[in-house]
Amino acid sequence: KAGVTQTPRYLIKTRGQQVTLSCSPISGHRSVSWYQQTPGQGLQFLFEYFSETQRNKGNFPGRFSGRQFSNSRSEMNVSTLELGDSALYLCASRSWTSGGGETQYFGPGTRLLVL
Amino acid sequence: SQQGEEDPQALSIQEGENATMNCSYKTSINNLQWYRQNSGRGLVHLILIRSNEREKHSGRLRVTLDTSKKSSSLLITASRAADTASYFCATPDSWGKLQFGAGTQVVVTP
Repeated sequence: KAGVTQTPRYLIKTRGQQVTLSCSPISGHRSVSWYQQTPGQGLQFLFEYFSETQRNKGNFPGRFSGRQFSNSRSEMNVSTLELGDSALYLCASRSWTSGGGETQYFGPGTRLLVL
Repeated sequence: SQQGEEDPQALSIQEGENATMNCSYKTSINNLQWYRQNSGRGLVHLILIRSNEREKHSGRLRVTLDTSKKSSSLLITASRAADTASYFCATPDSWGKLQFGAGTQVVVTP
């Protein structure tokens, strides 16, 4: 099976702009989670989507939003970019069973630089 | 907040040596997972150990779990330069949200 893919891999934006990142999960996986990684805060959970519904959300401002399509592909949007949004954004997919007992598979990430 | 905390923060060893890193967590868990990250790239899943397991092996990796102490360790035997990476432990909550530690940066020199 193909792994989790993320596009684009690198992105440079300026403050105030908005950005959309895309994630395609492993075939058959219905859950997609998004994480932000920064040197200062480490890996932080943004949100998770399952069957086009947001199932879980982390402590991020409303500028961060996402959605999932019927084919399980997910997009993440950040509006009104701030310098502090510069980070590696990772998505992970899993087949999703209750209790979080299965492995999550991560994509290569999108590195966002906000100038 | 971070559920897992790795120790040490950084580790430098020579090829052929063993590398051991530890992870402590705060709340009860269903399982604990270890991931590797090479130089700012994506996370690669290494091993998942369930709460009813005490030890698990995968190739040169050995993971132990002590739920009474809320701790886990990852041992990499006969390390190689390609093992140079950051290693993270992660625990899922009841919804599957992973909570990561700060990671251990391992450098293996030839």
